[in-house]
Amino acid sequence: GAGVSQSPSNKVTEKGKDVELRCDPISGHTALYWYRQSLGQGLEFLIYFQGNSAPDKSGLPSDRFSAERTGGSVSTLTIQRTQQEDSAVYLCASRGSQETQYFGPGTRLLVL
Amino acid sequence: GEDVEQSLFLSVREGDSSVINCTYTDSSSTYLYWYKQEPGAGLQLLTYIFSNMDMKQDQRLTVLLNKKDKHLSLRIADTQTGDSAIYFCAESIDRGSTLGRLYFGRGTQLTVWP
Repeated sequence: GAGVSQSPSNKVTEKGKDVELRCDPISGHTALYWYRQSLGQGLEFLIYFQGNSAPDKSGLPSDRFSAERTGGSVSTLTIQRTQQEDSAVYLCASRGSQETQYFGPGTRLLVL
Repeated sequence: GEDVEQSLFLSVREGDSSVINCTYTDSSSTYLYWYKQEPGAGLQLLTYIFSNMDMKQDQRLTVLLNKKDKHLSLRIADTQTGDSAIYFCAESIDRGSTLGRLYFGRGTQLTVWP
């Protein structure tokens, strides 16, 4: 596609449930990033994928968060046993050979 | 550290110029970016500048970088009501095998009055 796409655009879940967020990067982009945007913390880095290299997971806030990237393209961010503090906008970005990161529209997660 | 600071609010009248300022602390940043976020939307890349440049102009946008003072600014000429949004300054830092990790400021809410 023309840009980064994310699904779902909105997700409401109950505390304790698991959620999966999906990111489709721009075709051909080898680098993929997940960020989280919340009122209290601003924009925070979560995880970075580059080609077939091991991901940089240093930004994941707890072991309830995990992410994978299949075939060097689509990525899924999974949050297990969601908590209310996980409510935020989850943004995905991809980068090609140029030094520019393009962001998707985000997934708005609300944990009740 | 990688602290990026921005003022939170800016109000201007339509047709005036807007200047949004940003300071950062990490001198190893490679690129500096300005993103725009409208309500309910993701981040739109506006412009970016390589850290060894001091100015970049792109239509109504002018980016100035003072590397010595670690100060970045975005000037929007002839500001329009459609420019009302939150503007984020970000620096890109390469650490180890992680390239292009962005560190963001808190964002500046620009309000343009007709």
